Amino acid sequence: EAQVTQNPRYLITVTGKKLTVTCSQNMNHEYMSWYRQDPGLGLRQIYYSMNVEVTDKGDVPEGYKVSRKEKRNFPLILESPSPNQTSLYFCASSLAAHSYEQYFGPGTRLTVT
Amino acid sequence: DQQVKQNSPSLSVQEGRISILNCDYTNSMFDYFLWYKKYPAEGPTFLISISSIKDKNEDGRFTVFLNKSAKHLSLHIVPSQPGDSAVYFCAASERGAQKLVFGQGTRLTINP
Repeated sequence: EAQVTQNPRYLITVTGKKLTVTCSQNMNHEYMSWYRQDPGLGLRQIYYSMNVEVTDKGDVPEGYKVSRKEKRNFPLILESPSPNQTSLYFCASSLAAHSYEQYFGPGTRLTVT
Repeated sequence: DQQVKQNSPSLSVQEGRISILNCDYTNSMFDYFLWYKKYPAEGPTFLISISSIKDKNEDGRFTVFLNKSAKHLSLHIVPSQPGDSAVYFCAASERGAQKLVFGQGTRLTINP
């Protein structure tokens, strides 16, 4: 089954404690992206990757890091989480950034206290 | 600035009637538009798309209309069914830009 998986689905942590949210896709997609969803703001792009070892900032990259060492995996790293990073996070993948639908993971709800 | 706007946070429609969800955009370089549907505790799923070379695209009960001069698109669902109750996001992209730009979403509720 073609899918994007994220782990964990729910996470409660404290300010400053480094965390990683994993994302994996099994569709051999080149393009992967991270979004955060906040009330009244829709989904905003954090980082994206066009292929292995190629990553770039989206609209709201501050406080986040990513890596793309393998085509299927695109982890999101919060080195020092803060309460304003409390949000619902989605990983997505597609054949390309333009003109192709993106497939989304189930989401990770993060709470930073 | 919000380049893609969905000005109605919520919409309530009776089962069997037509649901019309609206979306406005400001960037004239957008040339590909998509609608996504999101149920609680799930990720968004692709519903339907339209290229700027068209003004209408239909898929079963779902039709998307694009009015380029007005920078406006709409999603029509006919007839509406209870399973259509979800949050709907419109999104847009431009060639060469490596992202989708999403609207804020509209929560559609279909009443029996």
